[in-house]
Amino acid sequence: QVQMVESGGGVVQPGRSLRLSCVASRFTFSHHAMHWVRQAPGKGLEWVAVISYLGSDKQYADSVRGRFTISRDNSKNTVYLQMNSLRVEDTAVYYCAKDYYDSSVYLRAWGQGTLVTVSS
Amino acid sequence: SYELTQPPSVSVSPGQTARIACSGDAMPKKFAYWYQQKSGQAPVLVIYEDKKRPSEIPERFSGSTSGTVATLTISGAQVEDEADYYCFLTDSSGRGVFGGGTKLTV
Repeated sequence: QVQMVESGGGVVQPGRSLRLSCVASRFTFSHHAMHWVRQAPGKGLEWVAVISYLGSDKQYADSVRGRFTISRDNSKNTVYLQMNSLRVEDTAVYYCAKDYYDSSVYLRAWGQGTLVTVSS
Repeated sequence: SYELTQPPSVSVSPGQTARIACSGDAMPKKFAYWYQQKSGQAPVLVIYEDKKRPSEIPERFSGSTSGTVATLTISGAQVEDEADYYCFLTDSSGRGVFGGGTKLTV
């Protein structure tokens, strides 16, 4: 069974930075694009970013472009989300998800998420 | 960018058929995907490429499209199907878009 475990969430002040990690296992990580999706408390799902299997192609939601950076280390089966200039509205559970393909098509499996709270 | 519109809520009695619509101009050009999210849990894929069902998903779940509307159908809905359902697609650049979600009450 595919597994993704997110970490790095916590409480952070507005304007500060945080880096999330997602360690994947039980599949060939380097063959798949990876996504980050978030869900604010009581709200719906919001797609955040995607990185292709080799890391050469990255796409972002308008709400985070210029502040968030997605990256990956295939030697560590890990995808990251560097979040800078955090805002209160970035408060959410952040999920990483595995794409079925090597580029962005759809999210086949999800981790359990990590909570990020941006508050003064 | 694309927008996907879903009804906020749908309610059916156990054993009835539940239909959840997702409308958007991109539907005729893009595959639709559907995710189920039960309370406090991560989402799960229930339909991919408009109408295909992962092997682990019960047969009562099906998908279809017509014009600008994709529809998730749950035939003989069960109490355990009560959840939030989201449609999803990716644009030509690979950016993802979710519908606003539909709360299904059974």
